[in-house]
Amino acid sequence: EDQVTQSPEALRLQEGESSSLNCSYTVSGLRGLFWYRQDPGKGPEFLFTLYSAGEEKEKERLKATLTKKESFLHITAPKPEDSATYLCAVQARLNYGGSQGNLIFGKGTKLSVKP
Amino acid sequence: DGGITQSPKYLFRKEGQNVTLSCEQNLNHDAMYWYRQDPGQGLRLIYYSQIVNDFQKGDIAEGYSVSREKKESFPLTVTSAQKNPTAFYLCASSPRDGEQFFGPGTRLTVL
Repeated sequence: EDQVTQSPEALRLQEGESSSLNCSYTVSGLRGLFWYRQDPGKGPEFLFTLYSAGEEKEKERLKATLTKKESFLHITAPKPEDSATYLCAVQARLNYGGSQGNLIFGKGTKLSVKP
Repeated sequence: DGGITQSPKYLFRKEGQNVTLSCEQNLNHDAMYWYRQDPGQGLRLIYYSQIVNDFQKGDIAEGYSVSREKKESFPLTVTSAQKNPTAFYLCASSPRDGEQFFGPGTRLTVL
């Protein structure tokens, strides 16, 4: 069964204190892994797609990395405006069947950055 | 200005009442999706459509119905058969096999 587990559930950082969020996954043939940011009461905002182990993507203070078992979202010198819930999702390859290529989401990591 | 719109932002339903949530996109995306989000849970797929006039059940389709008569529109009806409808509903769209982009959401509350 395709599954995504995010840890920790919640993370509190001081402004400038770098850290990482984890997304562990099991999927029958990974087509892509996706990171989203969600603010309270709003829809998720797309951040990154990663397709293969070893791939990295960066955007401002965020960098996403991917291995065969997990992905990390590294946050460097975070600011209070980075506070949000970060969601991870995986998509299986269509020819493996199962999820038929739909996204499987983790429960998210709620990040709070204090000034 | 391209994007996905959902309406209304807040919706209140009485017991036994059907309600319809609107989702419109002007991104020319082929696929559209409906998700439900509950506190402490990941997004769960209700229905999806990869082409006009065709849609498929997701993981939690019971008590919901959809239609896809136009490429731009994918309304979701929450029927009286859905026993626990209070939740945050999110619509998304994507190009074929591409990233999904989400609308702002509709919060449904049962009175």
